[in-house]
Amino acid sequence: DIQLTQSPSFLSASVGDRVTITCRASQDISSYLAWYQQKPGRAPKLVIYGASTLQSGVPSRFSGSGSGTEFTLTISSLQPEDFATYYCQQLDSYPRTFGQGTKVDVK
Amino acid sequence: QVQLQESGPGLVKPSETLSLTCTVSGGSLSTSYWSWIRQPPGKGLEWIGYVYYSGSTKYNPSLKGRVTISIDTSKKQFSLTLSSVTAADTAMYYCARDDLYCGGASCREVLDYWGQGTLVTVTS
Repeated sequence: DIQLTQSPSFLSASVGDRVTITCRASQDISSYLAWYQQKPGRAPKLVIYGASTLQSGVPSRFSGSGSGTEFTLTISSLQPEDFATYYCQQLDSYPRTFGQGTKVDVK
Repeated sequence: QVQLQESGPGLVKPSETLSLTCTVSGGSLSTSYWSWIRQPPGKGLEWIGYVYYSGSTKYNPSLKGRVTISIDTSKKQFSLTLSSVTAADTAMYYCARDDLYCGGASCREVLDYWGQGTLVTVTS
């Protein structure tokens, strides 16, 4: 199985901050990576797929980059509604696997 | 707008079988893959498996043959059964649409619509 490691696991930030989360894959997954946002008590929500394609309806302050084994999710200016846990997921092979999550909370 | 809703018992006894159903509205089951994902309390996400509208399936080997996912397109439902459950199977169970996107030379599926989830607790 492909292992995904996110860093950091926890991140404290303030509204307006630029936030970057990294996801590293245990083998080359090309650009087959998605990012999800999950708020407490809610289902995950798709943010980015194909490493860099913004899901419809997601604000443009979110962006994704990377290929191969290293990927990043960036929030250019953190908004109050962005405090959540973010997961990466590899779409390259089965079984599909997720990173352990990065919780973004208030500084 | 595609909507998914999980249903099923919230409590299951150890060694018994967990059964959940996902009802889809606002879209056709005949165009996508349909997946189950679970999340133990306070932990991360685990992909369980998918069913295609044709009935073909793929499962996570970590579940060691205990899982079956089926589909009934006429009822706009797909279902999960997990046998011989233990406390380790206690989790929020989500159903989701696994829709195809194409980029570059290949196409892949991504979980674009999710149900709200249903908590299943394994307890005697």
